[in-house]
Amino acid sequence: QITLKESGPTLVKPTQTLTLTCSFSGFSVSTVRLGVGWFRQPPGKALEWLALIYWDDDKRYSPSLESRLTITKDTSRNQVVLMMNDMDPVDTATYYCAHSIGANPKLAYWGQGILVTVSS
Amino acid sequence: DIQMTQSPSTLSVSVGDRVSITCRASESISRWLAWYQQKPGKAPKLLIYKASSLESGVPSRFSGSGSETEFTLSISSLQPDDFATYYCQQYDSYPLTFGGGTKVEI
Repeated sequence: QITLKESGPTLVKPTQTLTLTCSFSGFSVSTVRLGVGWFRQPPGKALEWLALIYWDDDKRYSPSLESRLTITKDTSRNQVVLMMNDMDPVDTATYYCAHSIGANPKLAYWGQGILVTVSS
Repeated sequence: DIQMTQSPSTLSVSVGDRVSITCRASESISRWLAWYQQKPGKAPKLLIYKASSLESGVPSRFSGSGSETEFTLSISSLQPDDFATYYCQQYDSYPLTFGGGTKVEI
């Protein structure tokens, strides 16, 4: 059974760096074809893809946010970490991680999400 | 970036109705399209992948069709549990992009 769960701060101040951890079970991110992606959804708005890391450590980033994002994986801990620097109130959103399979990533398993508010 | 445009943005329907939601891609994505259902406060749930493949455990009243730039999600007979927001998403190329969503309401 595949499960994922996001953790991290729920309140950050403007200009701070957000660090979110996706902890998962039921698969290994070192398995061929697998990966973990990060997404976000501002309140009342649509979903937005942020970053994805593949089993072979190939990393992909949203071009509009690439300068602010870093995605890493810790295979031994079954975790994937997303860092986003220079946070702004417009970054207030629910952040999700998801299991992916394939070079064209199918996203069948998602975490419950974590609401992050950016405010001074 | 490939833009995904969904229509309509809101759909007012009744239980038992047949529902169709359209998603258009700004360029060809072959059949690399997924459909998700999302309820308030919950994560997206994958319904359809590769345009027409039903995800395991998803009721057969859901179906998907289309290719290249035009896609449709159909619900054959709407059930009370189906009132939600639906999103399409292309995964042909990066960046992955989503449609703006279609809210199916009573």
